[in-house]
Amino acid sequence: QLQLQESGPGLVKPSETLSLTCTVSGGSISSRDNYWGWVRQPPGEGLECIASIYYTGTTYYNPSLKSRVTLSVDTSKNQVSLSLSSVTAADTAVYYCVLSHGSGSYFDFWGQGTLVTVSS
Amino acid sequence: DIQMTQSPDSLSASVGDRVTITCRASQSISRYLNWYQQKPGKAPKLLIYAASSLQSGVPSRFSGSGSGTGFTLSISSLQPEDFATYYCQQSTSTPWTFGQGTTVEIK
Repeated sequence: QLQLQESGPGLVKPSETLSLTCTVSGGSISSRDNYWGWVRQPPGEGLECIASIYYTGTTYYNPSLKSRVTLSVDTSKNQVSLSLSSVTAADTAVYYCVLSHGSGSYFDFWGQGTLVTVSS
Repeated sequence: DIQMTQSPDSLSASVGDRVTITCRASQSISRYLNWYQQKPGKAPKLLIYAASSLQSGVPSRFSGSGSGTGFTLSISSLQPEDFATYYCQQSTSTPWTFGQGTTVEIK
């Protein structure tokens, strides 16, 4: 059974960099047609796609966050990592690791999510 | 970005009721429309993809329809476990965007 597990600090200071890792179990991160990504949800609010990476290595960044986001994959550790620089309180959210499995245009696997609070 | 607008924002219903949620896209998205269910403190769960295809394991009381700019999610007979927030999402162009959510509450 494919599982995604987010990890990283729950508290980040303003202006610093938020770094999260998604560890994948039950499947290979480099499997064909997989599309990995990150979605966030501020407390009490809706969902926002942050960035995603195709199994070929092609990346996509939400234009509203592009200047601050970096996505990377470590196939040896079966991990996808997210970095978001120069954070503010507006970046406080639950961050979900997500997967579009196969060639579908939808997120069919989600991690449990991790809350990141930006505060001094 | 394509804007997704759901209506209503919330609704109250009783067990056994038929419930319909509407999602409108700011431009045509063909049938690249997905529906998710989210319960408090949990990650969203895919219910419907490609406007009307039921995700494996999802009860048949859930159904989706529509194309272009207008879509609906229907629950034929609301069950206690269906009280949750529902989100639509378009996946025809990046960034994939979500509706604001519709909360289904117990009447």
